[in-house]
Amino acid sequence: SAVISQKPSRDICQRGTSLTIQCQVDSQVTMMFWYRQQPGQSLTLIATANQGSEATYESGFVIDKFPISRPNLTFSTLTVSNMSPEDSSIYLCSVIQGYSTEAFFGQGTRLTVV
Amino acid sequence: DAKTTQPTSMDCAEGRAANLPCNHSTISGNEYVYWYRQIHSQGPQYIIHGLKNNETNEMASLIITEDRKSSTLILPHATLRDTAVYYCIVCWPGGTSYGKLTFGQGTILTVHP
Repeated sequence: SAVISQKPSRDICQRGTSLTIQCQVDSQVTMMFWYRQQPGQSLTLIATANQGSEATYESGFVIDKFPISRPNLTFSTLTVSNMSPEDSSIYLCSVIQGYSTEAFFGQGTRLTVV
Repeated sequence: DAKTTQPTSMDCAEGRAANLPCNHSTISGNEYVYWYRQIHSQGPQYIIHGLKNNETNEMASLIITEDRKSSTLILPHATLRDTAVYYCIVCWPGGTSYGKLTFGQGTILTVHP
């Protein structure tokens, strides 16, 4: 299994600012993903973080709002830009190892925008 | 991906088996059934998955009906720590869908002492 470390675990931010969330894995992984979980809701996939190239975004999510980087096989960042209170959510990193289809999740970053 | 239907909530007594149903009547031939759970304030945790045969691991058993239109996750001896939201997800783990999960609302399982 993969051990995933997300930083920060939580933050309170002012509207209009940006926050970068880090996802560090203890081993090389094939795939990395970012999900959002709004209050009281289920998880929604934001994008696939592609190593060395632009992320692949799901419908309703755009690069200008959620820029993503993945410089290597163990690390990715998600930035929430120009935040508004509607961005208050838990953001989770997920990874797939090798040829497995089992996904591992980080503990999430709880973001509150005031 | 096929849509799934799960009960909103279920209760179970500690030590008893918890049987969580999931309907996926539009599942296609190459789609698998996955189960994850999310304990409060944690990221989701993989439990088990299967295609058409029943599966068992150290956490749970998965029973898939012969027509594959429904399945049941069985926690054989539920404990208080099994209280969580359980998600049944149907997907084809290949191509552009590889690794992507579509979460429904899940079933809130509450295990009582």
